[in-house]
Amino acid sequence: DQQVKQNSPSLSVQEGRISILNCDYTNSMFDYFLWYKKYPAEGPTFLISISSIKDKNEDGRFTVFLNKSAKHLSLHIVPSQPGDSAVYFCAASARSSASKIIFGSGTRLSIRP
Amino acid sequence: GAVVSQHPSWVICKSGTSVKIECRSLDFQATTMFWYRQFPKQSLMLMATSNEGSKATYEQGVEKDKFLINHASLTLSTLTVTSAHPEDSSFYICSARVEGQGPLSYEQYFGPGTRLTVT
Repeated sequence: DQQVKQNSPSLSVQEGRISILNCDYTNSMFDYFLWYKKYPAEGPTFLISISSIKDKNEDGRFTVFLNKSAKHLSLHIVPSQPGDSAVYFCAASARSSASKIIFGSGTRLSIRP
Repeated sequence: GAVVSQHPSWVICKSGTSVKIECRSLDFQATTMFWYRQFPKQSLMLMATSNEGSKATYEQGVEKDKFLINHASLTLSTLTVTSAHPEDSSFYICSARVEGQGPLSYEQYFGPGTRLTVT
């Protein structure tokens, strides 16, 4: 049973436009959500996170939105840059589970010129 | 800060041999480290949680006798793949959690990964 789902395996966005990556989760115990960026043959790099007590967190070009009632979160990247091309993983954690992080399947973002 | 290293970055071994992978937190202490496995074009699957000074906690379906985890110090955890077989070929990634920083303690910092190929 996939607790964290990223239903879009890939996304192509024009440089300068907004990239929106979506993520859904099923476990209502999750109280912390994270986004990671990953290049091939490298470990994931932490991007941004959000606690369940918030509905928005912004850091530069990256904004994460959380809709708890819909069990949905999204990552907005604006403006998109060529260096943003990578695989983005949504992840979730629950305080009750010793902070284990559960990852989604990832979305490959391609920024085209 | 929060740098995690892994060694080796890649290894090729023969079927039946054992391989040890090291994970180190370079500039912080990590009482908890995690080991993941990633197959091509798939998500990171948590294998086990490594706690310093105690036994690792394995996820369902992960053979503890095959994947031996040792967390002997606050900066080092090792994963040993015993009697490796071709199906164990994968990308193994460790992570370490920053302790005692409130919400940041949820964040894990990942090593660069180790590519294991078993022939």
